[in-house]
Amino acid sequence: KAGVTQTPRYLIKTRGQQVTLSCSPISGHRSVSWYQQTPGQGLQFLFEYFSETQRNKGNFPGRFSGRQFSNSRSEMNVSTLELGDSALYLCASSLGRDSGNTIYFGEGSWLTVV
Amino acid sequence: SQQGEEDPQALSIQEGENATMNCSYKTSINNLQWYRQNSGRGLVHLILIRSNEREKHSGRLRVTLDTSKKSSSLLITASRAADTASYFCATAVGSSGGYNKLIFGAGTRLAVHP
Repeated sequence: KAGVTQTPRYLIKTRGQQVTLSCSPISGHRSVSWYQQTPGQGLQFLFEYFSETQRNKGNFPGRFSGRQFSNSRSEMNVSTLELGDSALYLCASSLGRDSGNTIYFGEGSWLTVV
Repeated sequence: SQQGEEDPQALSIQEGENATMNCSYKTSINNLQWYRQNSGRGLVHLILIRSNEREKHSGRLRVTLDTSKKSSSLLITASRAADTASYFCATAVGSSGGYNKLIFGAGTRLAVHP
């Protein structure tokens, strides 16, 4: 069974540009969530989608957005990039039905904003 | 904001020794999950323990949960150099779908020397 797949793994963008990151969850998983990891702030929850609906949202500005498709694949978008958006962006998936569901993470997408 | 605190922040031991990492959190939880992260990589799930459980084992790993003290510990027995990584605890605090919003601690950096 394939794990959570994230693309691209590494990318470099210029301040002011936008970026789209993609995530394919484990087959059968309907919940996809996104996290940002930086040395200063650690791991922070961005948002979670379940059956194409945003179910939870973290405390990030509106420049961070996401969506989920009918096949549970998800994308997140960051517009008007700032230097501080440089981070490892992690996608996670789970069955999403109850509190006993294990949440599995992908390898992440390393974003560098210059 | 982070829910938990890991203790210690860094731990250095010799191969064959046991490593104990502690995690404290602030609010009532649904479950607590432990993850490992090798440098620059994604998060690998280790163990999930529900709020009504007190102890779980998986191979060389033992996790305890004390909800009265709002704390958990991860014990790695007979450590190996390959166990060198950062270890994070993460709590799920929500209801009605909030199970998939994880709040992470700052992590413990474990170094196991041959």
